[in-house]
Amino acid sequence: AQTVTQSQPEMSVQEAETVTLSCTYDTSENNYYLFWYKQPPSRQMILVIRQEAYKQQNATENRFSVNFQKAAKSFSLKISDSQLGDTAMYFCAFMKQDNDMRFGAGTRLTVKP
Amino acid sequence: DAGVIQSPRHEVTEMGQEVTLRCKPISGHDYLFWYRQTMMRGLELLIYFNNNVPIDDSGMPEDRFSAKMPNASFSTLKIQPSEPRDSAVYFCASSLADREGYTFGSGTRLTVV
Repeated sequence: AQTVTQSQPEMSVQEAETVTLSCTYDTSENNYYLFWYKQPPSRQMILVIRQEAYKQQNATENRFSVNFQKAAKSFSLKISDSQLGDTAMYFCAFMKQDNDMRFGAGTRLTVKP
Repeated sequence: DAGVIQSPRHEVTEMGQEVTLRCKPISGHDYLFWYRQTMMRGLELLIYFNNNVPIDDSGMPEDRFSAKMPNASFSTLKIQPSEPRDSAVYFCASSLADREGYTFGSGTRLTVV
């Protein structure tokens, strides 16, 4: 079974600074997909960024980027120029070929003014 | 595109009552997923459908839970009889087969008293 581990239950960062959220996963699959989702207090789950395992290039979406280390089974999220609106729970997720997504326990990020 | 629509947004019911949660996926999406979110267990996959057919219901906690997808635009998750430990936020999500990521509904917060 695939497992996703987020070792940081809570993190905080000053506005405008950079923060990195960690995620590791365990799988025997070679082809899979990784995601970061954001859940603000409104509880809506919002897709932040997506990475295909067969792509070596790290995905980026504006201020959000990932560091994907396939051999280490690591998939961290970097948020640059943090904004107050980035305050939320962040979930790392793994999906194998049959389209079944599994989530980590989440990291609560607080951006301080 | 109105996104994934769930109803009701909040539900409070008494123990022993039947509860029905509803979901309308995004038109054209092939997959539909039901997740449950609790503080203790995080996001758990309950069941998912592909083209209206249930594919994996191994996450359904017990026989009190049932899910149906009578057509491509509607799904229900039913709990009968409900128990206090069923209190959680229930999310519905849908996706295309190309694994771009799931689109989540706003969730239903269920409280069983």
